[in-house]
Amino acid sequence: EAQVTQNPRYLITVTGKKLTVTCSQNMNHEYMSWYRQDPGLGLRQIYYSMNVEVTDKGDVPEGYKVSRKEKRNFPLILESPSPNQTSLYFCASSLSNNAAWQGGETQYFGPGTRLLVL
Amino acid sequence: GNSVTQMEGPVTLSEEAFLTINCTYTATGYPSLFWYVQYPGEGLQLLLKATKADDKGSNKGFEATYRKETTSFHLEKGSVQVSDSAVYFCALPAGGTSYGKLTFGQGTILTVHP
Repeated sequence: EAQVTQNPRYLITVTGKKLTVTCSQNMNHEYMSWYRQDPGLGLRQIYYSMNVEVTDKGDVPEGYKVSRKEKRNFPLILESPSPNQTSLYFCASSLSNNAAWQGGETQYFGPGTRLLVL
Repeated sequence: GNSVTQMEGPVTLSEEAFLTINCTYTATGYPSLFWYVQYPGEGLQLLLKATKADDKGSNKGFEATYRKETTSFHLEKGSVQVSDSAVYFCALPAGGTSYGKLTFGQGTILTVHP
């Protein structure tokens, strides 16, 4: 089954304790992205990756790191989490990394990771 | 960049009622337009899309028509069911140098009562 998986689905942690949220897709997609969803703010992009070893910042990258060592995986790393990073996180992927992306590739989303930082 | 304005909710309907959720956009060129749905406890799923003006996207009884003249992409369903209760997001490519990013509306919470 074609899908984007995320782990863990739920996580409670404390300020400053490094954590990683994994994301994996089995559709051979080139483009992957992380979003966070917050009440009243909607979905905002954190980082994206156009291909292996190619990553760039989205709208709200502060406090986050990513890596893309393999095409299928795109982990989100919080080196020193803070309470303002409490949120619902979604990983997404799409087939193309077309830089002239006006046409609009369908993005496929993972089930989400709900993070609480105390 | 491109932007989208979505009718805010929440919207509460009885089963078999008619649904409209308004969405208008501002864009350079004619990008694809999307409706995504988020069921409780789940991620976003593509509901339907339209890739050019006058295209009608449809899925699961939902429809939306890409209206260039009114820059709108309103979501409609003739007879909603309890299982349609979810959050609905209108979206389009962010445009400019925002490679691959989607810009989403704020989301509309739909609750359908039996």
